[in-house]
Amino acid sequence: EVQLVESGGGFVKPGGSLRLSCAGSGFTFSDAWMSWVRQAPGKGLEWVGRIKSQTNSGTTDYAAPVKGRFTISRDDAKNMLYLQMNSLQIEDTALYYCTTRYRIGVDVWGQGTMVTVSS
Amino acid sequence: QSVLTQPPSVSAAPGQKVTISCSGSSSNIGNNYVSWYRQLPGTAPKLLIYDNNKRPSGIPDRFSGSKSGTSATLAITGLQTGDEADYYCGTWDSSLSAGWVFGGGTKLTVL
Repeated sequence: EVQLVESGGGFVKPGGSLRLSCAGSGFTFSDAWMSWVRQAPGKGLEWVGRIKSQTNSGTTDYAAPVKGRFTISRDDAKNMLYLQMNSLQIEDTALYYCTTRYRIGVDVWGQGTMVTVSS
Repeated sequence: QSVLTQPPSVSAAPGQKVTISCSGSSSNIGNNYVSWYRQLPGTAPKLLIYDNNKRPSGIPDRFSGSKSGTSATLAITGLQTGDEADYYCGTWDSSLSAGWVFGGGTKLTVL
């Protein structure tokens, strides 16, 4: 079964840091371009960033609101995707999904992990 | 304020047809493929349409997508109560701040 499972969410104070993880299974993780998408409570979807496969240089792209604060990385040996979030702000409060289109026309999304930034 | 503009809500009766529009610009819809997603309450988004008008395996042909210029449209025919959900369009934006962009979402109500 193709699956993505996020973890690492929780409560953090403004200015704090958190690292989210996403475990992939059932597909060739190393070939997949992986993305993070977030959804603030009651709001729409917002793309956070992506990391290409290592065969495509493994480069990263980020949305403007998180650039310079968030870092996406991957460990293909462990089939793991990470999102390091620093200098967290209240506006970063959201449900964070990892997702990939691992094959043409086939998306997989995790169930999401909730991050709450509050003093 | 989303880069892609969708109507906040649409509604129609069971069995009817509804369309959801998604308006963008030449840096996104105009030069890139559009995807459509459905999100049922409390669940992760699900891909409905990719590459403007292609349906993933398992998506019924009641769902169709089209694109013209800098706008895209999702059409749903034979509406069912189970179609009540939030619908999002998405595409790559090739502007200076390149990245994937979503529409603000459209709440579909089946009356």
